[in-house]
Amino acid sequence: EVQLVQSGAEVKKPGESLKISCKGSGYSFTSYWIGWVRQMPGKGLEWMGIIYPGDSDTRYSPSFQGQVTISADKSISTAYLQWSSLKASDTAMYYCASALTGVDAFDIWGQGTMVTVSS
Amino acid sequence: QSALTQPPSASGSPGQSVTISCTGTSSDVGGYNYVSWYQQHPGKAPKLMIYEVSKRPSGVPDRFSGSKSGNTASLTVSGLQAEDEADYYCSSYAGSNRVFGTGTKVTVL
Repeated sequence: EVQLVQSGAEVKKPGESLKISCKGSGYSFTSYWIGWVRQMPGKGLEWMGIIYPGDSDTRYSPSFQGQVTISADKSISTAYLQWSSLKASDTAMYYCASALTGVDAFDIWGQGTMVTVSS
Repeated sequence: QSALTQPPSASGSPGQSVTISCTGTSSDVGGYNYVSWYQQHPGKAPKLMIYEVSKRPSGVPDRFSGSKSGNTASLTVSGLQAEDEADYYCSSYAGSNRVFGTGTKVTVL
Protein backbone atom coordinates (compact mmCIF):
# COMPACT_ATOMS: atom_id res chain seq x y z
CA GLU A 1 0.00 0.00 0.00
CA VAL A 2 1.28 3.43 -0.96
CA GLN A 3 1.27 5.63 2.12
CA LEU A 4 2.91 8.39 4.09
CA VAL A 5 2.96 7.99 7.86
CA GLN A 6 3.73 11.03 9.99
CA SER A 7 5.08 11.22 13.51
CA GLY A 8 2.75 11.87 16.43
CA ALA A 9 1.40 15.03 17.97
CA GLU A 10 3.82 17.32 19.77
CA VAL A 11 3.40 19.82 22.61
CA LYS A 12 6.33 22.21 22.98
CA LYS A 13 7.24 25.46 24.67
CA PRO A 14 8.22 28.63 22.83
CA GLY A 15 11.91 28.64 21.98
CA GLU A 16 12.23 24.86 21.85
CA SER A 17 13.34 22.97 18.76
CA LEU A 18 11.37 20.30 16.97
CA LYS A 19 11.74 17.86 14.07
CA ILE A 20 8.71 15.98 12.74
CA SER A 21 8.84 13.15 10.24
CA CYS A 22 7.01 11.67 7.27
CA LYS A 23 7.85 8.09 6.23
CA GLY A 24 6.94 6.84 2.80
CA SER A 25 6.28 3.24 1.83
CA GLY A 26 4.89 1.26 -1.08
CA TYR A 27 6.52 3.39 -3.79
CA SER A 28 9.90 4.67 -4.94
CA PHE A 29 10.43 7.33 -2.27
CA THR A 30 13.40 8.92 -4.04
CA SER A 31 11.55 9.50 -7.32
CA TYR A 32 8.76 11.86 -6.30
CA TRP A 33 8.56 15.30 -4.73
CA ILE A 34 7.30 15.57 -1.15
CA GLY A 35 5.67 18.75 0.05
CA TRP A 36 4.88 20.13 3.49
CA VAL A 37 1.63 21.99 4.16
CA ARG A 38 0.62 24.04 7.19
CA GLN A 39 -2.96 24.44 8.37
CA MET A 40 -3.42 26.74 11.34
CA PRO A 41 -6.49 26.12 13.50
CA GLY A 42 -9.64 26.95 11.56
CA LYS A 43 -7.65 28.29 8.62
CA GLY A 44 -6.72 27.29 5.09
CA LEU A 45 -3.87 25.34 3.59
CA GLU A 46 -0.43 26.87 3.01
CA TRP A 47 2.47 25.39 1.06
CA MET A 48 5.67 25.51 3.09
CA GLY A 49 8.07 23.89 0.66
CA ILE A 50 8.95 20.76 -1.24
CA ILE A 51 11.88 18.38 -1.43
CA TYR A 52 13.01 15.81 -3.98
CA PRO A 53 14.40 12.97 -1.84
CA GLY A 54 16.53 11.63 -4.68
CA ASP A 55 18.97 14.55 -4.51
CA SER A 56 17.51 16.65 -1.63
CA ASP A 57 16.71 19.53 -3.99
CA THR A 58 14.56 21.76 -1.75
CA ARG A 59 12.32 24.71 -2.62
CA TYR A 60 10.83 26.90 0.11
CA SER A 61 7.78 29.11 -0.19
CA PRO A 62 8.84 32.72 0.46
CA SER A 63 6.82 32.96 3.69
CA PHE A 64 8.66 29.99 5.20
CA GLN A 65 12.19 30.55 3.90
CA GLY A 66 14.48 30.82 6.89
CA GLN A 67 11.71 29.82 9.31
CA VAL A 68 11.89 26.04 8.89
CA THR A 69 14.21 23.43 7.44
CA ILE A 70 13.03 20.64 5.16
CA SER A 71 15.23 17.60 4.73
CA ALA A 72 15.09 13.93 3.76
CA ASP A 73 16.93 10.72 4.52
CA LYS A 74 16.45 8.51 1.48
CA SER A 75 18.06 5.53 3.21
CA ILE A 76 15.00 5.28 5.46
CA SER A 77 12.44 6.85 3.08
CA THR A 78 11.72 9.69 5.49
CA ALA A 79 11.25 13.41 5.05
CA TYR A 80 11.54 15.92 7.88
CA LEU A 81 10.31 19.36 8.85
CA GLN A 82 12.17 21.11 11.61
CA TRP A 83 12.19 24.29 13.65
CA SER A 84 15.13 25.64 15.66
CA SER A 85 13.06 27.94 17.85
CA LEU A 86 9.31 27.47 17.98
CA LYS A 87 6.82 30.29 18.40
CA ALA A 88 3.22 30.17 19.55
CA SER A 89 2.23 31.05 15.99
CA ASP A 90 3.70 27.73 14.81
CA THR A 91 0.74 25.97 16.43
CA ALA A 92 -0.88 24.14 13.53
CA MET A 93 -1.54 20.85 11.80
CA TYR A 94 1.28 19.94 9.43
CA TYR A 95 0.76 17.58 6.50
CA CYS A 96 3.25 15.95 4.17
CA ALA A 97 2.16 14.94 0.70
CA SER A 98 3.75 13.26 -2.30
CA ALA A 99 3.10 13.93 -5.99
CA LEU A 100 2.95 10.52 -7.69
CA THR A 101 0.25 11.07 -10.28
CA GLY A 102 1.30 14.12 -12.22
CA VAL A 103 3.11 17.42 -12.18
CA ASP A 104 2.38 19.17 -8.91
CA ALA A 105 -0.40 16.65 -8.24
CA PHE A 106 -0.05 15.75 -4.57
CA ASP A 107 -2.15 12.62 -4.35
CA ILE A 108 -0.71 10.81 -1.34
CA TRP A 109 -1.09 12.57 2.02
CA GLY A 110 0.08 11.80 5.50
CA GLN A 111 -2.39 11.81 8.36
CA GLY A 112 -1.04 15.08 9.72
CA THR A 113 1.00 16.02 12.78
CA MET A 114 -0.51 18.48 15.25
CA VAL A 115 2.08 20.79 16.78
CA THR A 116 1.04 22.85 19.79
CA VAL A 117 3.38 25.53 21.09
CA SER A 118 2.36 26.96 24.44
CA SER A 119 4.06 28.22 27.56
CA GLN B 1 3.16 35.02 -3.07
CA SER B 2 -0.49 35.86 -2.39
CA ALA B 3 -3.10 33.17 -1.99
CA LEU B 4 -5.35 32.52 -4.97
CA THR B 5 -8.83 33.99 -4.56
CA GLN B 6 -11.80 31.67 -4.05
CA PRO B 7 -15.34 32.49 -2.90
CA PRO B 8 -15.73 31.69 0.81
CA SER B 9 -18.82 29.57 0.25
CA ALA B 10 -20.96 27.84 -2.34
CA SER B 11 -24.04 25.70 -2.05
CA GLY B 12 -26.51 23.61 -3.96
CA SER B 13 -29.24 21.06 -3.49
CA PRO B 14 -28.64 17.36 -4.07
CA GLY B 15 -28.45 16.64 -7.78
CA GLN B 16 -27.61 20.24 -8.70
CA SER B 17 -24.25 21.58 -9.86
CA VAL B 18 -21.91 23.98 -8.14
CA THR B 19 -18.92 25.77 -9.66
CA ILE B 20 -16.05 27.21 -7.65
CA SER B 21 -13.68 29.78 -9.12
CA CYS B 22 -10.00 30.24 -8.35
CA THR B 23 -8.45 33.50 -9.51
CA GLY B 24 -4.74 34.11 -9.66
CA THR B 25 -2.33 35.95 -11.91
CA SER B 26 -0.24 35.34 -15.00
CA SER B 27 2.54 34.20 -12.64
CA ASP B 28 0.57 31.25 -11.36
CA VAL B 29 -2.83 30.11 -12.69
CA GLY B 30 -2.51 31.93 -16.00
CA GLY B 31 1.07 30.94 -16.60
CA TYR B 32 0.94 27.17 -16.19
CA ASN B 33 -1.47 24.30 -16.75
CA TYR B 34 -0.68 22.95 -13.31
CA VAL B 35 -3.79 23.75 -11.32
CA SER B 36 -4.99 21.17 -8.82
CA TRP B 37 -8.07 20.94 -6.64
CA TYR B 38 -8.25 19.37 -3.18
CA GLN B 39 -11.23 18.32 -1.09
CA GLN B 40 -10.94 18.39 2.69
CA HIS B 41 -13.51 17.02 5.10
CA PRO B 42 -13.37 18.25 8.73
CA GLY B 43 -10.52 16.68 10.64
CA LYS B 44 -9.19 14.87 7.59
CA ALA B 45 -6.23 15.26 5.29
CA PRO B 46 -6.84 16.88 1.90
CA LYS B 47 -7.66 14.66 -1.08
CA LEU B 48 -6.61 15.36 -4.66
CA MET B 49 -9.68 15.70 -6.90
CA ILE B 50 -8.33 17.35 -10.07
CA TYR B 51 -4.78 17.88 -11.36
CA GLU B 52 -3.22 19.58 -14.38
CA VAL B 53 -6.38 21.72 -14.71
CA SER B 54 -8.79 19.01 -15.79
CA LYS B 55 -7.44 15.52 -15.12
CA ARG B 56 -9.07 13.25 -12.57
CA PRO B 57 -7.04 10.81 -10.47
CA SER B 58 -8.17 7.22 -10.44
CA GLY B 59 -11.15 6.76 -8.14
CA VAL B 60 -12.46 10.32 -8.31
CA PRO B 61 -16.04 10.40 -9.68
CA ASP B 62 -16.55 11.99 -13.08
CA ARG B 63 -18.99 14.37 -11.39
CA PHE B 64 -15.89 16.43 -10.64
CA SER B 65 -14.45 18.43 -13.52
CA GLY B 66 -11.95 21.25 -13.91
CA SER B 67 -11.25 23.97 -16.43
CA LYS B 68 -9.26 27.16 -16.85
CA SER B 69 -9.61 30.42 -18.72
CA GLY B 70 -6.90 33.02 -18.46
CA ASN B 71 -6.01 33.62 -14.82
CA THR B 72 -9.09 31.84 -13.46
CA ALA B 73 -9.54 28.13 -12.90
CA SER B 74 -12.83 26.48 -12.01
CA LEU B 75 -14.02 23.30 -10.35
CA THR B 76 -17.51 22.04 -11.13
CA VAL B 77 -19.26 19.41 -9.08
CA SER B 78 -22.25 18.01 -10.93
CA GLY B 79 -24.99 15.92 -9.40
CA LEU B 80 -24.19 17.10 -5.88
CA GLN B 81 -24.25 14.46 -3.20
CA ALA B 82 -24.26 14.79 0.57
CA GLU B 83 -20.68 13.51 0.78
CA ASP B 84 -19.50 16.39 -1.42
CA GLU B 85 -20.03 18.78 1.48
CA ALA B 86 -16.47 19.82 2.35
CA ASP B 87 -13.86 22.53 1.95
CA TYR B 88 -12.26 22.81 -1.47
CA TYR B 89 -8.89 24.37 -2.22
CA CYS B 90 -7.26 25.11 -5.54
CA SER B 91 -3.49 25.06 -5.89
CA SER B 92 -1.29 26.36 -8.66
CA TYR B 93 2.31 25.93 -9.64
CA ALA B 94 4.05 29.34 -9.66
CA GLY B 95 7.57 28.90 -10.92
CA SER B 96 9.64 27.25 -8.20
CA ASN B 97 6.78 27.67 -5.73
CA ARG B 98 3.17 26.74 -5.45
CA VAL B 99 0.25 28.54 -3.87
CA PHE B 100 -3.14 27.47 -2.48
CA GLY B 101 -6.42 29.24 -2.85
CA THR B 102 -8.25 30.77 0.10
CA GLY B 103 -10.67 27.84 0.23
CA THR B 104 -14.40 27.41 -0.42
CA LYS B 105 -16.85 25.70 1.87
CA VAL B 106 -19.39 23.77 -0.17
CA THR B 107 -22.71 23.12 1.53
CA VAL B 108 -25.23 20.61 0.24
CA LEU B 109 -28.63 22.02 1.13
